[in-house]
Amino acid sequence: NAGVTQTPKFRILKIGQSMTLQCAQDMNHNYMYWYRQDPGMGLKLIYYSVGAGITDKGEVPNGYNVSRSTTEDFPLRLELAAPSQTSVYFCASSYKDRMNTEAFFGQGTRLTVV
Amino acid sequence: AQKITQTQPGMFVQEKEAVTLDCTYDTSDPSYGLFWYKQPSSGEMIFLIYQGSYDQQNATEGRYSLNFQKARKSANLVISASQLGDSAMYFCAMSFDTGRRALTFGSGTRLQVQP
Repeated sequence: NAGVTQTPKFRILKIGQSMTLQCAQDMNHNYMYWYRQDPGMGLKLIYYSVGAGITDKGEVPNGYNVSRSTTEDFPLRLELAAPSQTSVYFCASSYKDRMNTEAFFGQGTRLTVV
Repeated sequence: AQKITQTQPGMFVQEKEAVTLDCTYDTSDPSYGLFWYKQPSSGEMIFLIYQGSYDQQNATEGRYSLNFQKARKSANLVISASQLGDSAMYFCAMSFDTGRRALTFGSGTRLQVQP
């Protein structure tokens, strides 16, 4: 009963470093999402995917890249980390055929760029 | 563009009392869904309740109910008989029946339940 699993839970990066945030779901969901949550704010969509091989930008995609080679996995890549990318990152997934199905969220990754 | 507004940054409520958290939204799309999520201090996002734009009745889930007023474009969350464990951030969110179906979130309301 894993749901959506994100790794790592915490990470400190230096400016200019790169990293990949991992996300995996075991519910066979078509839709997967990456959000970021800045302090005291709601979640903003970075990228999303409607199925394996299909990804698209959300509201705040700059500085990030994604891929979706399988239904289960949706990694988020940060290239050349900047302090503005300090945030909590959430991966989520949902089932395609019913709008009223809630999105399931991972536990989040707290990233600090120094 | 779609927008969710939560005008109450923080709310206090006494234990065992009811509390209403406000949410208004803006969209021209006739088909949409409204969600409420709870985020405790541990950080995870917990789904509470859903209301579809075509649903005739207000949604209820245990102590949670959604006061849906379509003409006013509001979807307020009512928590009855507040408990100390209800202290958390609460987010209203909206999604649509087409396209990416991603959630658009409000800025949240921090609820503190006092004994």
